[in-house]
Order: sequence, then C-alpha cells, then structure tokens
Amino acid sequence: AQKITQTQPGMFVQEKEAVTLDCTYDTSDPSYGLFWYKQPSSGEMIFLIYQGSYDQQNATEGRYSLNFQKARKSANLVISASQLGDSAMYFCAMREGSGGSNYKLTFGKGTLLTVNP
Amino acid sequence: DTGVSQNPRHKITKRGQNVTFRCDPISEHNRLYWYRQTLGQGPEFLTYFQNEAQLEKSRLLSDRFSAERPKGSFSTLEIQRTEQGDSAMYLCASSTLRHGTYEQYFGPGTRLTVT
Repeated sequence: AQKITQTQPGMFVQEKEAVTLDCTYDTSDPSYGLFWYKQPSSGEMIFLIYQGSYDQQNATEGRYSLNFQKARKSANLVISASQLGDSAMYFCAMREGSGGSNYKLTFGKGTLLTVNP
Repeated sequence: DTGVSQNPRHKITKRGQNVTFRCDPISEHNRLYWYRQTLGQGPEFLTYFQNEAQLEKSRLLSDRFSAERPKGSFSTLEIQRTEQGDSAMYLCASSTLRHGTYEQYFGPGTRLTVT
C-alpha cells in the first residue's frame, strides 16, 4: 500500500484565492511526522511546514497551514491568498519513528499547482 | 546557513561510464541523506549517514552505487557502469535536531542523463 497518497495530479487556483492540496498517509507507527515541500521548476525542494503526530494543534507557517485529521489519516496543505510564485510541485512526505530512527522521508507523487493571474 | 550545495548540477554521460556526485551539507548538520527522483515521481530514499557512518541503504541502491561521507562532512555518491535507468535527479539533504524534529534541508540536486 502507498504510504503517502496525493490524489490530485494538478490543481488550478486564481491569484489571491485559497487552495487545499490533499494528502493521506498510512502508518501503524504511533510516532510520525508529516511534511510539505515545494519544488519549483528549478528542482530544489523547499520545506514549507511540519506536523508531528502528537501535536495537538494544526501547524501554521505564514500563508501555509496544515489541516491535520489524525483519525482520517489526512494532512492537507492549505495555502491562503495564492501568489503567482506559488506555482510549483507540492509534495507531502512522512517520516516514521522517533528517537534512533533515521528519519528518512517517504514522499507522495506530488500535486502540480498552477496559480492563474 | 549557506544551504546544501551539490555539484555538478547537470551530468550527461554515456552508458557504462562511472559518475560521481558531491554534496556539501549545511555545516554542523550531522545527518545527510541521498534521494533519487525520477520524472513524475516524488523523491525516493537511497541512503543515510549520521556523521561519517552510513546507517541505512535502500534496496534501490544496487551494488553499482556507493556513497561515502569521510570525516562526517561532505558526501559523494558514485554510480559505476551507468545504465539508462539511472537517469534521474539525485537530491541530497542534511538535517539536525531542531524544534523536536530533524527537518531536512535539500540541495538543488544533480540531474543525471545517461545516453
């Protein structure tokens, strides 16, 4: 089974509007972390936001927020007030374990976001 | 932080040749990761170092691949006898414990094309 599923290959949003990118995950480990990365056409992976499995509140970083629904195993990224520069691939990723774990990330296939002027 | 750097950014090689990539992590980051990303996919974990020790290798890392991190600083990834299936973006990331987690910072990647 896929550990990270991103069901939206592509999404379109108008500039200044909000958009939600979906991510569901699968793990039996009680300790895990969820990440979102942005990958512009230049190729570099840019860290956006992190949510730990024990965090009580949804993570927020500026215009990015993570809608964490633990029972549903979903970790959707919400981008508010979209900007043209937000056009990029977005990847959801998970690391499992804690303590001595190596913290490797498992990525989804990504969602290509296009922001229209 | 000057960021993670990778060299070269692009490499074109003929099938059967050997190639070597270099990754310079953020200074004082003790963990270093290599990932491979093929077209239309997310990155896939290849291997991981804590300081100079290589602690885990993915099954994706065949015998033709070798990675080193001498002295726990920069790392190299070598592919011997390259095959067309090795064409991909090779990403390096480094991390250290911060805010209770090992947030990974990625470099710009090395894009390998095997002809």
